[in-house]
Amino acid sequence: NAGVIQTPRHKVTGKGQEATLWCEPISGHSAVFWYRQTIVQGLEFLTYFRNQAPIDDSGMPKERFSAQMPNQSHSTLKIQSTQPQDSAVYLCASSLGAGGGAEQFFGPGTRLTVL
Amino acid sequence: GQQVQQSPSSLVLQEGENAELQCNFSSTATQLQWFYQSPGGSLVSLLSNPSGTKHTGRLTSTTVTKERRSSLHISSSQTTDSGTYLCAIDRGTNAYKVIFGKGTHLHVLP
Repeated sequence: NAGVIQTPRHKVTGKGQEATLWCEPISGHSAVFWYRQTIVQGLEFLTYFRNQAPIDDSGMPKERFSAQMPNQSHSTLKIQSTQPQDSAVYLCASSLGAGGGAEQFFGPGTRLTVL
Repeated sequence: GQQVQQSPSSLVLQEGENAELQCNFSSTATQLQWFYQSPGGSLVSLLSNPSGTKHTGRLTSTTVTKERRSSLHISSSQTTDSGTYLCAIDRGTNAYKVIFGKGTHLHVLP
């Protein structure tokens, strides 16, 4: 079991460029979550998929951010026209189920730096 | 909304000393997890403990659900325990929405 895989581990973009972050959940896990971590805000929920369907994206900035899960083996988080305030560690997590206390397992994160 | 408060925000210990970390939350939770994050590293789940007491190795977590608090006790601390300890709970009705505290930054001196 390789755990949750995230690529790339580090990404540097220029202001205005696009960034795509990838997540491969643990095989057999039906729920996938995206979080963002900054020093100031700590860890914040962004969005959640269950069985590949988007369930809740209430934590996502409405502009420029989008997430997809085209198949059960990977999810992507895309940030268009990146801004310096988007700099953060983006964490993906998966769990066997969701709700009722399912334990979440986290990937190593992607550190995004927007210059 | 649901909030998670952790204390202390930082802690410095001599190797061998014990540590007691606290987590308080503002409303009921069906899941509570303690995580460890090394400097620049990923989150590692330490314990999943929505109620009662759980042990693993040198770690003991006690959660008193009706009082909305949990503690993490680290016995005989080691320098490798240094890092950030995060408490996280779900949000009850939307139980998948995990809310994290800001963490306790632990530094264990040799």
